[in-house]
Amino acid sequence: QQPVQSPQAVILREGEDAVINCSSSKALYSVHWYRQKHGEAPVFLMILLKGGEQKGHEKISASFNEKKQQSSLYLTASQLSYSGTYFCGTDNNNDMRFGAGTRLTVKP
Amino acid sequence: GAGVSQSPSNKVTEKGKDVELRCDPISGHTALYWYRQSLGQGLEFLIYFQGNSAPDKSGLPSDRFSAERTGGSVSTLTIQRTEQRDSAMYRCASSLVAGGSSYNEQFFGPGTRLTVL
Repeated sequence: QQPVQSPQAVILREGEDAVINCSSSKALYSVHWYRQKHGEAPVFLMILLKGGEQKGHEKISASFNEKKQQSSLYLTASQLSYSGTYFCGTDNNNDMRFGAGTRLTVKP
Repeated sequence: GAGVSQSPSNKVTEKGKDVELRCDPISGHTALYWYRQSLGQGLEFLIYFQGNSAPDKSGLPSDRFSAERTGGSVSTLTIQRTEQRDSAMYRCASSLVAGGSSYNEQFFGPGTRLTVL
């Protein structure tokens, strides 16, 4: 039931781009993305609903392929503050399951 | 406004003792979730509430774990006869509603770090 995230870890230089992928074996109503910095609680980034609606931070973009039950998070022109662990959460209108996380490190 | 709060922030207990962890969701949020997070690991779903009812308890690791929510607000997660493997960060989150048909982003509390000696 837990979605699968890839890659497990990414190291970037400031200004570089990254894509984080999330896939589920179950039909989804929505996909959530959160970022967690070390020692802190996860913070909401974006939610993508079935049907194409989405809500989130302006500088974050993501896609949701309902047929393939996959979502991707696009981080462009990365900044040092983007470092952290990114989790996707999948909601099949019943409960929430989170992936194992993708650890992103942005270096100067 | 006030966010999700959890208490205690840290709990150290001896193996075999019972512990209670408390979560105060954001006012007006009808959905409440409990997760467990081991160091450097992901968020393991335990249970969620819509109002006072828990439609899905499948994530509770054993019958030593239970949770309740009263008045559609505060929730308590109870672990009986604690074991060392129960040591982890326990996080609570709340959202306006549960279910994937709406914008139900979750707001997480600071967590309770449980250490079982």
